[in-house]
Amino acid sequence: DADVTQTPRNRITKTGKRIMLECSQTKGHDRMYWYRQDPGLGLRLIYYSFDVKDINKGEISDGYSVSRQAQAKFSLSLESAIPNQTALYFCATSAKDKEQAFFGQGTRLTVV
Amino acid sequence: QQQVKQSPQSLIVQKGGIPIINCAYENTAFDYFPWYQQFPGKGPALLIAIRPDVSEKKEGRFTISFNKSAKQFSLHIMDSQPGDSATYFCAASRGGTASKLTFGTGTRLQVTL
Repeated sequence: DADVTQTPRNRITKTGKRIMLECSQTKGHDRMYWYRQDPGLGLRLIYYSFDVKDINKGEISDGYSVSRQAQAKFSLSLESAIPNQTALYFCATSAKDKEQAFFGQGTRLTVV
Repeated sequence: QQQVKQSPQSLIVQKGGIPIINCAYENTAFDYFPWYQQFPGKGPALLIAIRPDVSEKKEGRFTISFNKSAKQFSLHIMDSQPGDSATYFCAASRGGTASKLTFGTGTRLQVTL
């Protein structure tokens, strides 16, 4: 089983719809992240959380919101999806004071 | 504003060649510089990382060279193999950990036979 699991893996949604991407981890890490990957732009940080009560905006948080339901769960919501939110989304985790981030397999989101 | 600039965007080398991927950063507060490797359909995975107190780090066939004064670092892959074909991302962060990584734009490497 994957240590960082994202659901769904693929999703097509219509403009204006609300959509939630979910992430769960079994690594026991406190820190969780949502990144967005676009061709030619690399990965950009959307939101991050250092513990259950901590939520922080990243580089590109406009149009997104998150919820940290438990240490192991971190979800990303698009309240009203728009086509330029079409991208590959990655959840990641890391432990405090550790060097390695662990990524899920990604969710490919298409907004039509 | 790209805080970590990466080049080239794509690279094709023959088996046994030594591809080199370069990155440059702006923020002098960065103190941790990892490279991540991503295969199609997978998430990025840590490959190798360096801190600015050393100029070079080797792990197997992978080497990072770091130039603090120039604010540049690069990845060299010795004796490249077709299995090294992947997208490589450089990254940087503050505080010496994987928290809040700032990524480069990625380099798609193809190693041909």
